[in-house]
Amino acid sequence: GENVEQHPSTLSVQEGDSAVIKCTYSDSASNYFPWYKQELGKRPQLIIDIRSNVGEKKDQRIAVTLNKTAKHFSLHITETQPEDSAVYFCARGSNYKLTFGKGTLLTVNP
Amino acid sequence: DSGVTQTPKHLITATGQRVTLRCSPRSGDLSVYWYQQSLDQGLQFLIQYYNGEERAKGNILERFSAQQFPDLHSELNLSSLELGDSALYFCASSTSGGAWETQYFGPGTRLLVL
Repeated sequence: GENVEQHPSTLSVQEGDSAVIKCTYSDSASNYFPWYKQELGKRPQLIIDIRSNVGEKKDQRIAVTLNKTAKHFSLHITETQPEDSAVYFCARGSNYKLTFGKGTLLTVNP
Repeated sequence: DSGVTQTPKHLITATGQRVTLRCSPRSGDLSVYWYQQSLDQGLQFLIQYYNGEERAKGNILERFSAQQFPDLHSELNLSSLELGDSALYFCASSTSGGAWETQYFGPGTRLLVL
C-alpha cells in the first residue's frame, strides 16, 4: 500500500536525552525519505532527508537511518533541547509525490 | 522563509461557497504541489503540477480543482464548500517534480468553513 506508519504518535523526553521516531512503508518503489519538522501553526520544514542508495545520514544532532530490506527508516535526535519540541513527520517519495506519516508530537521538558 | 508564498493567510467563508487559494513557487522551481492538513487526516497530497501540466493526483475531491499558469504560479479552487473542508492548505514547490526532490513548503492558507 501507499501508507507510511509512524510511531510513536507522542514522545516526551527530558532535555539532553535522545529521541527516536520510526516509520515503516510497504512500497518498494520508494527511494526518497525526508523528515519534516512543523511547529504549531507553521509550515513543515525539511530537517533531513535520505535517498535509497544511502543507509545513514547525519547532520549535527540529527541523524536518519534507512533499512530498505526491512522497509523502515528512523529519525534520531541527540542532546534534545526545548526548541526541538514540535511535530515531526516522516514521508516517502514515489510516483511524483510524498506520502506522509501521521506525525509525532515531540515534547522536550527542560 | 522557504521562498514559496501563499495568499491569503486566512480565509473564513460559509458552506456552499467557492474560494481560490494562490501559490507562487520558489524562483526557478517548475513544480507545484498542494496538500491539505487536517487534525484527523494529517498531511494529504492533493495534486501536483509541473510546468503547467498536471502530473500526479492524490485524494482530491471532485469539488476541488487546480491549475498552474504560464508564470508558474498555481491556484487551488475549492467549491461547494463543506464544514469538513476546514483545514490548512499548503503549497510546496520543487525544481522539476521528481519524487526524490526536496519540496519546500509555503506558509499555508488556513480555511475555516462556517
